[in-house]
Amino acid sequence: DGGITQSPKYLFRKEGQNVTLSCEQNLNHDAMYWYRQDPGQGLRLIYYSQIVNDFQKGDIAEGYSVSREKKESFPLTVTSAQKNPTAFYLCASSILASGSNEQFFGPGTRLTVL
Amino acid sequence: AQKVTQAQTEISVVEKEDVTLDCVYETRDTTYYLFWYKQPPSGELVFLIRRNSFDEQNEISGRYSWNFQKSTSSFNFTITASQVVDSAVYFCALSGVYTGGFKTIFGAGTRLFVKA
Repeated sequence: DGGITQSPKYLFRKEGQNVTLSCEQNLNHDAMYWYRQDPGQGLRLIYYSQIVNDFQKGDIAEGYSVSREKKESFPLTVTSAQKNPTAFYLCASSILASGSNEQFFGPGTRLTVL
Repeated sequence: AQKVTQAQTEISVVEKEDVTLDCVYETRDTTYYLFWYKQPPSGELVFLIRRNSFDEQNEISGRYSWNFQKSTSSFNFTITASQVVDSAVYFCALSGVYTGGFKTIFGAGTRLFVKA
């Protein structure tokens, strides 16, 4: 089955620690995205990648980093510089990085900072 | 400013009632795309529909229908004869040149509760 997988589903982190969220897709999509969702709010774009070895900052990139070494994979690292990292993180992909394309989403990772 | 407003934070209905979720958008683009996504309790968003700015035809898909009106900058979503399985958060979204072309702006979402 084609789709997007994210792991882990739940993640707990101590303050001051970096943590990496995994996102893998087997849809052969060029574009991948990371969003943050806070209660009662819409999705906010953290980073996106239109092609392998290239990525761009979204609206709230501070305190986050990404890599895109393979087409299938787009891991997100939440660094200790992110002041309020507790949130629900969603990874998505689309055929191309074009506004006309719908996005396909993974099941999300819920990060809690203790 | 590019913006998507979903004024209804939560809606509660009884099964079999019809319900309309409102979406109002702002954009400077003449070409843009509007979307609706469903987020069930499992968490992942599911794509429901895409509409481009040149296609104002209303669409019906089973119990779902969408009413796109450029004159009022609205793209409303109606569920007919709602069912418990329709309980979810629904997001309206917008993309176009001024959102970066490849970026999508999401509304805050409307949480729909359908009671049996």
